[in-house]
Amino acid sequence: AQSVTQLGSHVSVSEGALVLLRCNYSSSVPPYLFWYVQYPNQGLQLLLKYTTGATLVKGINGFEAEFKKSETSFHLTKPSAHMSDAAEYFCAVSPDGGSYIPTFGRGTSLIVHP
Amino acid sequence: NAGVTQTPKFRVLKTGQSMTLLCAQDMNHEYMYWYRQDPGMGLRLIHYSVGEGTTAKGEVPDGYNVSRLKKQNFLLGLESAAPSQTSVYFCAARAIPATGELFFGEGSRLTVL
Repeated sequence: AQSVTQLGSHVSVSEGALVLLRCNYSSSVPPYLFWYVQYPNQGLQLLLKYTTGATLVKGINGFEAEFKKSETSFHLTKPSAHMSDAAEYFCAVSPDGGSYIPTFGRGTSLIVHP
Repeated sequence: NAGVTQTPKFRVLKTGQSMTLLCAQDMNHEYMYWYRQDPGMGLRLIHYSVGEGTTAKGEVPDGYNVSRLKKQNFLLGLESAAPSQTSVYFCAARAIPATGELFFGEGSRLTVL
C-alpha cells in the first residue's frame, strides 16, 4: 500500500527565508508525485508534479521539488518566502496498480512572518 | 474556464435534515471524488466514481450516498445529517492517466447544528 508522510504539520519562516516542506512516500512502483497548494477558503490547486524525466521539477510561484528515489523523498522548496505563500501544502502520490485513489499526506501549513 | 463547480458553497442544516451537494465538471474527466476536510485530519475520501453509473466507497463513507447518473455530475447526499458531518467538502475530477492531477472545486462548507 502507498503512503505519504509530510514532516511537520506547521512550518514557520520569515519573509525572504528559504522554504523547505518535506514529503516522503512509499510506493511499490515508480511513483507519480504531486504537490498541491490550498490558499485560505479555496480548493486545492496543482503546484507541480513529477512523472518521468528530470528529477528537479519547477512549479508555479517559484517553487520547485526534487524527486530522490534513493531517499523516497519529494521535498518542496522555494529560495525566498513571500507573505503570499502562506497556505496549506499537500504532497500526493498517484495511484498504482489497479487503484483509482491518489494518496495524500496530512498537509503542512506554511506560516510566513514579516 | 469553470473546471469543477460545487453548489452550494455554504449550508447550515439541523440534525436529521437531508441535503445534496452537487459537483459539476466541464473537462470530460472519467474519475470524480468527494473528500471531506477537517482540521488536523487532512483530506479524507468519502466516495469516488470511475465513470458514469459507477460509484465506490472511500475511507469514510458512512452517512453519505452518491450518484453519478451523468458523466459531468457527481452528487453527494446526506440522508440524515449529524453534527459529526460538519466539515468542508471538496469535489475533484481527474483524467484516466495516472500522471494526471486532480482538479478541485472551491469547496462546500456544511454546518450541522
